[in-house]
Amino acid sequence: GQQVMQIPQYQHVQEGEDFTTYCNSSTTLSNIQWYKQRPGGHPVFLIQLVKSGEVKKQKRLTFQFGEAKKNSSLHITATQTTDVGTYFCAGYGGTYKYIFGTGTRLKVLA
Amino acid sequence: DAGVTQSPTHLIKTRGQQVTLRCSPKSGHDTVSWYQQALGQGPQFIFQYYEEEERQRGNFPDRFSGHQFPNYSSELNVNALLLGDSALYLCASSHGTGAFEQYFGPGTRLTVT
Repeated sequence: GQQVMQIPQYQHVQEGEDFTTYCNSSTTLSNIQWYKQRPGGHPVFLIQLVKSGEVKKQKRLTFQFGEAKKNSSLHITATQTTDVGTYFCAGYGGTYKYIFGTGTRLKVLA
Repeated sequence: DAGVTQSPTHLIKTRGQQVTLRCSPKSGHDTVSWYQQALGQGPQFIFQYYEEEERQRGNFPDRFSGHQFPNYSSELNVNALLLGDSALYLCASSHGTGAFEQYFGPGTRLTVT
């Protein structure tokens, strides 16, 4: 079945450093979503990417969807302590269900 | 405008028992998906309900069943609970099915002893 992997599993950065998480699907995706889950919280939708090669920005966050629509990345510039949490990608293969990645847990050291 | 609500917040059950979790979707949403999230893992898709029918199901046994009501609210039922069923159960609502933004509820923390 479809699998979605993320790397790294954990990332500790100093405040102000950049952070990137990568998402890879075993199958071609129709679209991909990104979520953020704070410790003790629930996933919160960040963005959806649909087109091959698409790049979207939200302030310090940059999201990319690969040309083959099998991989994606989230880059955060100049991390802040408010960026702490686990970032999940969720791939949609067109069958009414999203497959969530394994997540990348980000810790920002002040 | 209320977001997605779930009840109860926490629940402790014994092996072999049955449990029912409830979800009310965000106003204007007609689709409800249920996820199981074990500690330190990503959410695992259980099933999705739309127009009171199960539209898609993940790799979960028949012990997991659900229902959607005419007001779009939904229930998740788990029978014959196992220790491995201990997890955070998340409900997500969206408008329509397929590739739509999902709004998650706060979840129900189920502990099976």
